[in-house]
Parts: sequence; structure tokens; C-alpha cells
Amino acid sequence: SQTIHQWPATLVQPVGSPLSLECTVEGTSNPNLYWYRQAAGRGLQLLFYSVGIGQISSEVPQNLSASRPQDRQFILSSKKLLLSDSGFYLCAWTKRANYGYTFGSGTRLTVV
Amino acid sequence: AQTVTQSQPEMSVQEAETVTLSCTYDTSESDYYLFWYKQPPSRQMILVIRQEAYKQQNATENRFSVNFQKAAKSFSLKISDSQLGDAAMYFCAYSRGGSNYKLTFGKGTLLTVNP
Repeated sequence: SQTIHQWPATLVQPVGSPLSLECTVEGTSNPNLYWYRQAAGRGLQLLFYSVGIGQISSEVPQNLSASRPQDRQFILSSKKLLLSDSGFYLCAWTKRANYGYTFGSGTRLTVV
Repeated sequence: AQTVTQSQPEMSVQEAETVTLSCTYDTSESDYYLFWYKQPPSRQMILVIRQEAYKQQNATENRFSVNFQKAAKSFSLKISDSQLGDAAMYFCAYSRGGSNYKLTFGKGTLLTVNP
């Protein structure tokens, strides 16, 4: 069966520090991968998605970047965190439009 | 751009009763998919139910069912025999066909279940 792992679960980082969040999928190949951010209290904003190795599409211009160095690995990064980067970050995958997404357990990032 | 609107920020229901959560969407596509996700306090996103736009029959998953009105672009979720474990944030989501399978989410409805 397919599983998705996302870590760390919680992170507190100072302003100006770098960021690396990792997401891996097991049990499938060539998934579509997604990074979403959920601000306090509400909806999900798509940040990046990838349909294959090395292929990254950005939805929102900002302080973050994403990479997909391996088929089932998706990394969210920042060189210098801002206070506004605080939030709940979710990784997800799917193989087909009608499947919907399977989400990771999320990372709660607090920038102080 | 496609938009998804959930007009009820909060809803409450008595245990064992039925509740309906509303969702409308805007699209010019004819081929698309709709979903309801549940996010309990743990914040894990859980797929509740899905609907393909080309199917006229409303989807059903145990106590969860949808009322899909394609012409009205409406996709409501009905929860029957509500249980305490149904308390969560519920998100409606839309996906157009195509290769990137992006999901657009509504802002969510917070459901409280009263014992």
C-alpha cells in the first residue's frame, strides 16, 4: 500500500534562518506531488506542484522554493525565513485526477 | 480561475441528527472532479467522498452522501446519524481534468457535534 511521510512534525525557526521540509511517498511511482500551506484557521493555498523529477511549478511567488531530486521525494526550502512563512505545511500526492489527494501529516512551522 | 465557495464558516448538529454542508464552485469546464475532505483537530486531511462531474448519480460513502447539482454548480455534503467523531473542519475541493490534477479548496466549514 502507498504511504506518505512528512517531517518534521513541528519546527520553530528564527527569522532569517534556512528551511528544509521533506516529503516522501512509498508504494507507487511517478506520483504528482504538491506542497500546500494552511494559514491559521482556514483554507489551503497551493504553493508548488511537480509532475515529474526536476519538474517544479510555482503557484505563488514568495520566499520559498521546491525541488524534486528523486521520483518520490519532494522538498520545500527557504534560504531566509520571514515571519509570514509561519503556518501549517502539507505535502500530498496523487496519480489521477479522480483519486483525490493523499496528504501527509503536516509540519507546523513557527518563525520567531 | 476556478473558485470554490463554502458559505457556512461554522455549523453545529446534535448527535444522531443530520446536517448538510454547502459548497458552490465556478468553472467553465465540463470534465472535473469534486471532493470533500475532513480535517479533525489532529489536522490530518482525510478524503471523505468524491464525485466525477460526468456521473449523474450522487456519491455515497456510508453515512456521507452528496447532492451534486451540475447546472447549479452546487456540491453539498450530507452527514447522517452524526457522531462525535464527525466534529472537524470540512473542505470542499475542485479539480479540473488534465495532467497536473491541481485541487482548489474552499475556506472550510467548522462542524461541531453536540452530545
